[in-house]
Amino acid sequence: EVQLVDSGGGLVQPGGSLRLSCVVSGLSFSSYWMTWVRQAPGKGLEWVANIKQDGNEKWYVDSVKGRFTISRDNAKNSVYLQMNSLRVEDTAVYYCARQEWRYFDYWGQGTLVTVSS
Amino acid sequence: EIVMTQSPATLSVSPGERATLSCRASQSIRSDLAWYQQKPGQAPRLLIYAASTRATDIPARFSGSGSGTEFTLTISSLQSEDFAVYYCQQYNKWPPRYTFGQGTKLEIK
Repeated sequence: EVQLVDSGGGLVQPGGSLRLSCVVSGLSFSSYWMTWVRQAPGKGLEWVANIKQDGNEKWYVDSVKGRFTISRDNAKNSVYLQMNSLRVEDTAVYYCARQEWRYFDYWGQGTLVTVSS
Repeated sequence: EIVMTQSPATLSVSPGERATLSCRASQSIRSDLAWYQQKPGQAPRLLIYAASTRATDIPARFSGSGSGTEFTLTISSLQSEDFAVYYCQQYNKWPPRYTFGQGTKLEIK
């Protein structure tokens, strides 16, 4: 059974940092790009970042460039999202997902990040 | 950025009837389109990719069509479990600038 388990969300003040984690089981993790997608409360989906199989290629949506960093550890079947300089508008549920070609076929359950003073 | 526009925002349909959801791209994306279903409190689920290919274990009542800028998701005979929000996503550009539509809420009439 394929499982993606997201964790690391919580309440943080503007300007603060959080590190999200996603542990994957049941699939060949090191063979796939991985991605993060977020969803603000009551809103639609927004692609945030993705990372190549070997970690040597990474891409970000413009609104998080320079603040967020995606990384992975293939030995731990894990992908991470380091989020710095957080803003109120970063408040969302963050999902990790496996990227099959350029769409997303397996998703984690999501972890809520709330940025508020 | 490619803007994806879904219509209608809300669609009310009776169980057993057909539902037709639309998605329009601001420029041609060939067939680089996926559809997702999301129920409250759950992660999205992939339904369709490459505009018309059903994902694994997706029932045959779900079908996708279109290319270029106009796309359609059809659910042939609505079941109770199909009432949800549906999103389209384009993946035409590289480097990635993946974008989603704003969603169509399919509700019971």
